Amino acid sequence: DAKTTQPPSMDCAEGRAANLPCNHSTISGNEYVYWYRQIHSQGPQYIIHGLKNNETNEMASLIITEDRKSSTLILPHATLRDTAVYYCIVRALYSSASKIIFGSGTRLSIRP
Amino acid sequence: DSGVTQTPKHLITATGQRVTLRCSPRSGDLSVYWYQQSLDQGLQFLIQYYNGEERAKGNILERFSAQQFPDLHSELNLSSLELGDSALYFCASSTGLAVQETQYFGPGTRLLVL
Repeated sequence: DAKTTQPPSMDCAEGRAANLPCNHSTISGNEYVYWYRQIHSQGPQYIIHGLKNNETNEMASLIITEDRKSSTLILPHATLRDTAVYYCIVRALYSSASKIIFGSGTRLSIRP
Repeated sequence: DSGVTQTPKHLITATGQRVTLRCSPRSGDLSVYWYQQSLDQGLQFLIQYYNGEERAKGNILERFSAQQFPDLHSELNLSSLELGDSALYFCASSTGLAVQETQYFGPGTRLLVL
């Protein structure tokens, strides 16, 4: 699975959009981009995933660049409850193992 | 609520002891995964079971073992416990084996070895 690079920490004002970047320059054509978050020692929570098209769900939007070498997770109206560690993960479609390899993630702090 | 349940929530034990952690997957999910999260190692994959059979192994110690029962619940057994085994242990489940399937995580078991 391709390696990802994320900033270790970010902050955002409550009510504003939080834009979390992820670099995955070695991604290959059969690899998905996944985002999970972990709120203070709770179990990781699935947010969204995509292959090459932009995706949106009730939690967030995922913007993947045309060359697929980077992506941005957007939380449109951040609240204090969005304070968490956000993990960007790349997973191969035809991997022999479906484990998730977590990196260090981005610690997002939402300020009132 | 992810639909994955784990018991117990907290466990305190002594070095050398053995403990069993239990996980019930979401209804209909056949795959169960175990992950360990310690302060210095982050979230690490331990082992995966699918429909009762072991499918993949990560950095799981020989002192640790797991199984998945016919009703699809899974247990992670940790023996000869050491101080360094203190960690959060998460179970996750997914429908089947496809990589693109979402894994849903339980609330975890916090293990403290004294």
